[in-house]
Parts: sequence; C-alpha cells; structure tokens
Amino acid sequence: GNSVTQMEGPVTLSEEAFLTINCTYTATGYPSLFWYVQYPGEGLQLLLKATKADDKGSNKGFEATYRKETTSFHLEKGSVQVSDSAVYFCALITTDSWGKLQFGAGTQVVVTP
Amino acid sequence: KAGVTQTPRYLIKTRGQQVTLSCSPISGHRSVSWYQQTPGQGLQFLFEYFSETQRNKGNFPGRFSGRQFSNSRSEMNVSTLELGDSALYLCASSLVGGVDEQYFGPGTRLTVT
Repeated sequence: GNSVTQMEGPVTLSEEAFLTINCTYTATGYPSLFWYVQYPGEGLQLLLKATKADDKGSNKGFEATYRKETTSFHLEKGSVQVSDSAVYFCALITTDSWGKLQFGAGTQVVVTP
Repeated sequence: KAGVTQTPRYLIKTRGQQVTLSCSPISGHRSVSWYQQTPGQGLQFLFEYFSETQRNKGNFPGRFSGRQFSNSRSEMNVSTLELGDSALYLCASSLVGGVDEQYFGPGTRLTVT
C-alpha cells in the first residue's frame, strides 16, 4: 500500500533561518505529491504539488522536488518568517487511490522572532 | 470563487447520539472526500463521492456513512456516537477526483461527551 514518512517535529527555528522538512514515500505506480499546511484552528491549505519525477513545486517561497530515485519530496524554504509557524503535511495520491490522499504524520514548525 | 464550506463548525454531542455534517464543494468540483483528523491517528480517509456515487471507503465502522447530492454537496453521518469519534472532520473537493489536487474546508470540530 501507499505510505508517507515525515520527519518528526516540532522543528524550532529562528526567523530568517533555512527550513527543510524531509518526506519520503512508498507508492504503487506513479504518485502525485503534495505539501499541505495547517494553521491553528483551520483546515488544510494546499501549499504546492508535483505530478511527475523531477517536477519542482513552488509557492510562497517554499519549494519541493519530486525525486523518484530516492522516493522523496522534501520541503524547503530559504528564509522563514514567524507567520510560517504551522503544521506541514506531506501527502500522495495515485491513480488507483480513488480520492484517498495518503498523509504523513505532519511536522510542526515553530518560528521564533 | 468561494472555497469549500463546512457546517456546522463546532458540535458537541452525547454518546449514543447521531450527527450529520455538511460540506459544500467549490463550484464546479464534483468529487468530495472526507477525512477524520485526531492527535493520535492523524489524518484518516473516510470516503470519497463522485456524481452521487461512493467510489472509495476507508477503514471505518458502518456507523460512518455519507452521501452526495446532485449539486455535489455532501453529508456525512455518524450514528451511535462514541467518545473516540471526537475529532476534526475535514472535507475536500476536487474537480473529478483521481489525482486532482484536493481543496479542504475549515472542518467541523466534533466533541462527544
């Protein structure tokens, strides 16, 4: 079956630091990969996506590259802000998933001034 | 375009009662997926509907059910509530399902006492 493994949090950083959240996956077939972000008391927001190997998704300064050879989709941001404090979820879906996103456990990120 | 809306946002119910949650997808989206989010189990898939048909179901007991209407709005129902059903219930919509990106609503926070 499909699975997603994320690094455990919380990850605590100072403002303007570099952020990396590791994500690796196991999937049947060729998955599409996503990063979602959840702010306190809210639902999930789609942050970025990649649908095939070597695709790079990017949004709001965040980037992630679909690496088929290492089955990874690590999230990076060069300079974090306090407003980036949230929980980040890596997720995948395959053509035979029928609407079922497979999520990682989530990584809490805390950015301090 | 309006996002995914969920009602109610908060609910408090007693063990043994039943509850119905509602989800209105983004206009033009025909697929709706439901997820349960808890601190212990993370994000777990409940079911997915497309054109009023359930196409996929997660590993939840039969007390959890859903339906979709001709306007793509969806409801989920939980009967005979248990304390363990306390969770954030999220719905997500996508154009046609498959590997489309899913857009989430703010969730319904259900507390069972």
